[in-house]
Amino acid sequence: VQLLQSGGGLVQPGGSLSLSCAASGFTFNQYSMIWFRQSPGRGLEWVSAIGGAGRDTYYTDSAKGRFTISRDNSKSMLYVQMNSLRAEDTAMYYCAVWGPNGDLPYWGQGTLVTVS
Amino acid sequence: DIVMTQTPLSSPVTLGQPASISCRSSQSLVKSDGNTYLSWLQQRPGQPPRLLLYKISSRFSGVPDRFSGSGTETDFTLKISRVEAEDVGIYYCMQGKQFPFTFGPGTKVDIK
Repeated sequence: VQLLQSGGGLVQPGGSLSLSCAASGFTFNQYSMIWFRQSPGRGLEWVSAIGGAGRDTYYTDSAKGRFTISRDNSKSMLYVQMNSLRAEDTAMYYCAVWGPNGDLPYWGQGTLVTVS
Repeated sequence: DIVMTQTPLSSPVTLGQPASISCRSSQSLVKSDGNTYLSWLQQRPGQPPRLLLYKISSRFSGVPDRFSGSGTETDFTLKISRVEAEDVGIYYCMQGKQFPFTFGPGTKVDIK
């Protein structure tokens, strides 16, 4: 299993950024996927989740209305589009597989988003 | 949201000696299916988190048996029977019962 992340970088407040997560080594469409982020001041935070078929999506309150999670099962790809970015969105972002045991068995390597 | 707390926040240990980390949740982590969705993750410096245990005490594939978990409802414990150098890192408990999934603040384990 491999989750290879891309995207991220430096963006000004109010700007937009898109992150991608390329999955391999498992049947992608059978698993829900999650985005987390981690920053020194806020620790590890759950950001958003999406069901295997892509129909069901969930967001933390701070991401609602600004972030959009999506997936392309034909390409085994997970995405998050982040708009109206704020300084407090600065963090390392991770994609992860949401396992059937309510666990997180596989994580991407992380990608850094800096809003400044 | 379910609040997760951990003690201690720092744990210097001697190689070969045991270590123990406690985790408490602000409400029961038992879901309607009867399972308790408490996981432990390890994060080594510069690495993403890595799953160690799920549903309190089930070890993920490849995790050494020196790691064990116990607890019920709201109080949980991670034990390392004999700490090795590769165990240095930050350990997090996480609840997967309901969104938003939440993490404890982390316990830093290092070698004395």
